[in-house]
Amino acid sequence: EVQLVESGGGLIQPGGSLRLSCAASGFTVSSNYMSWVRQAPGKGLEWVSVIYSGGSTYYADSVKGRFTISRDNSKNTLYLQMNSLRAEDTAVYYCARESKGYGMDVWGQGTTVTVSS
Amino acid sequence: SYELTQPPSVSVSPGQTARITCSGDALPKQYAYWYQQKPGQAPVLVIYKDSERPSGIPERFSGSSSGTTVTLTISGVQAEDEADYYCQSADSSGTSWVFGGGTKLTVL
Repeated sequence: EVQLVESGGGLIQPGGSLRLSCAASGFTVSSNYMSWVRQAPGKGLEWVSVIYSGGSTYYADSVKGRFTISRDNSKNTLYLQMNSLRAEDTAVYYCARESKGYGMDVWGQGTTVTVSS
Repeated sequence: SYELTQPPSVSVSPGQTARITCSGDALPKQYAYWYQQKPGQAPVLVIYKDSERPSGIPERFSGSSSGTTVTLTISGVQAEDEADYYCQSADSSGTSWVFGGGTKLTVL
């Protein structure tokens, strides 16, 4: 079964760091585009970052320089390293598979990040 | 930064046709995608490449494109279609993704 399972969310103080993980099963992470998308409480979806199958990475302006997307091919897992966290980073974070040109067709259940003192 | 514009809400009666629009300057050059999200659930892809329907998505869901506007059409709306709908595309460089603000579809 094709599946994504996120973990690593929690309560963190402003300025802190957190690493989210997204474990994939049923397909190979490195063969696909993989994205992180977040949703603040009561708000819409916001794209955060993408890593291409070739390894190129791109970020939303709101997280550029603070967040880093990566993957571990041996673990078939996607990561999001989040540094210098702010209150406005509070959201449910989803990882999603993006078959090139075919949209984000597989999503995880999401992991909640709360940035608060 | 690049933006996609959607109406905040659309309301229709069961059996009628709902149309949700999404506007953006790069849409003539970049494909659009549509996602359905119900409360407490992850989004589900309902349309890709402007007008293609993934397997398992009912035929009543369709997409179209004209210039800087793409449209999601739901024909014969059912109560279960009540949800938030988001369009998604890329900027003109193709390296930055963006979602529209979302449209809440209410089935009266």
